[in-house]
Amino acid sequence: KAGVTQTPRYLIKTRGQQVTLSCSPISGHRSVSWYQQTPGQGLQFLFEYFSETQRNKGNFPGRFSGRQFSNSRSEMNVSTLELGDSALYLCASSPSTDTQYFGPGTRLTVL
Amino acid sequence: GESVGLHLPTLSVQEGDNSIINCAYSNSASDYFIWYKQESGKGPQFIIDIRSNMDKRQGQRVTVLLNKTVKHLSLQIAATQPGDSAVYFCAERDGYGQNFVFGPGTRLSVLP
Repeated sequence: KAGVTQTPRYLIKTRGQQVTLSCSPISGHRSVSWYQQTPGQGLQFLFEYFSETQRNKGNFPGRFSGRQFSNSRSEMNVSTLELGDSALYLCASSPSTDTQYFGPGTRLTVL
Repeated sequence: GESVGLHLPTLSVQEGDNSIINCAYSNSASDYFIWYKQESGKGPQFIIDIRSNMDKRQGQRVTVLLNKTVKHLSLQIAATQPGDSAVYFCAERDGYGQNFVFGPGTRLSVLP
């Protein structure tokens, strides 16, 4: 099976802009979770979608949002970008609530 | 590649020796634990998992030990190889919200 894919791999934006990141889970996986990884804060949970519904949400401001489509592909959106949003954004898919398999991530740089 | 953590604790081991990476968790309600390996420029890679009703689980060259009394998890890597050099994360799933919480990570450096 193909692994989790994320696009784009690298992105450069300026403050105030918005960005949309995409994640295609492993075939058959219905759960998609998003994480933010920074050197200072480590891996932090953003949200999880299962069958097009947000099942869990982390402690991030409302500028961070996501959605999942009927084919389980997921997108996350960050509006009004801030410098502190620069990070590696990781997507993980899972068949249920157990083992998560990560994609390579999207490196977002906000200037 | 990306810098996963600039000030991570680092464990340096000689090639061929065994490595032990430790992780303390805080939530006594956590019911499932995973160890991940992250190499530079890549996403975390699943290594091994363990449920809270077990105290030991073995894989290929890796063993995870869970001590619920002191809320401690460890990953043992036998005969450490240069390819094992990476950052290792433990992750715990709480039994309520089903979220995963990741530890800060440990950088393993394998010396020739």
